[in-house]
Amino acid sequence: DILMTQSPSSLSASVGDRVTITCRASQGISNSLIWYQQKPGKAPKLLLYAASRLESGVPSRFSGSGSGTDCTLTISSLQPEDSATYYCQQYYNNPWTFGQGTKVEIK
Amino acid sequence: QVQLVQSGAEVKKPGASVKVSCKASGYTFTSYYIHWVRQAPGQGLEYMGWINPNNDDTKYIEKFQGRVTMTRDTSITAAYMELSSLRSDDTAVYYCVRLLCSGGHCYPDYWGQGTLVTVSS
Repeated sequence: DILMTQSPSSLSASVGDRVTITCRASQGISNSLIWYQQKPGKAPKLLLYAASRLESGVPSRFSGSGSGTDCTLTISSLQPEDSATYYCQQYYNNPWTFGQGTKVEIK
Repeated sequence: QVQLVQSGAEVKKPGASVKVSCKASGYTFTSYYIHWVRQAPGQGLEYMGWINPNNDDTKYIEKFQGRVTMTRDTSITAAYMELSSLRSDDTAVYYCVRLLCSGGHCYPDYWGQGTLVTVSS
């Protein structure tokens, strides 16, 4: 199975800050990567797929980049409603595997 | 609009079985695979397997082989995940997820709301 390693595990930033989360795969996954946002008690919400394609309705402050083994999620200007846990997931191979999550808190 | 509506929370004793349903609407049920993912309290996401509603084909990850059964009923556009021989570490929220294939990518696009299964004596 492909191991997905996310960093950092948590971060605290101020409104308006630029935030970056990294996901590293144990082997190449092309651009077969998803980023999710999950709030407490809710299902994960799809933000980006194919590493960089924004899902319809997702604010443009969210962006993704990378391919191969390293991908990045960037929030260009952090908003209070972005407080959540973010997960990456590879769908290059079955079984799908997930990063361990990054908890984003607002200072 | 696409919806996946799951059955309600369950409390089960160790050794029992649980069957979670996932009612699909707003799209052609047999055209999209359904996958199942679970999340233990305060933990990350764990993949379980998939079912092809078109032909009932299934694939489970090795960890759950022999304990999980995924089925579907096309007449009511519902998918089911049954987990047997429950243990306390099976306590989790179970999600059904639709797989979309578009533009050369097959990725999960819609999630059910989740079903909490609690295993406790």
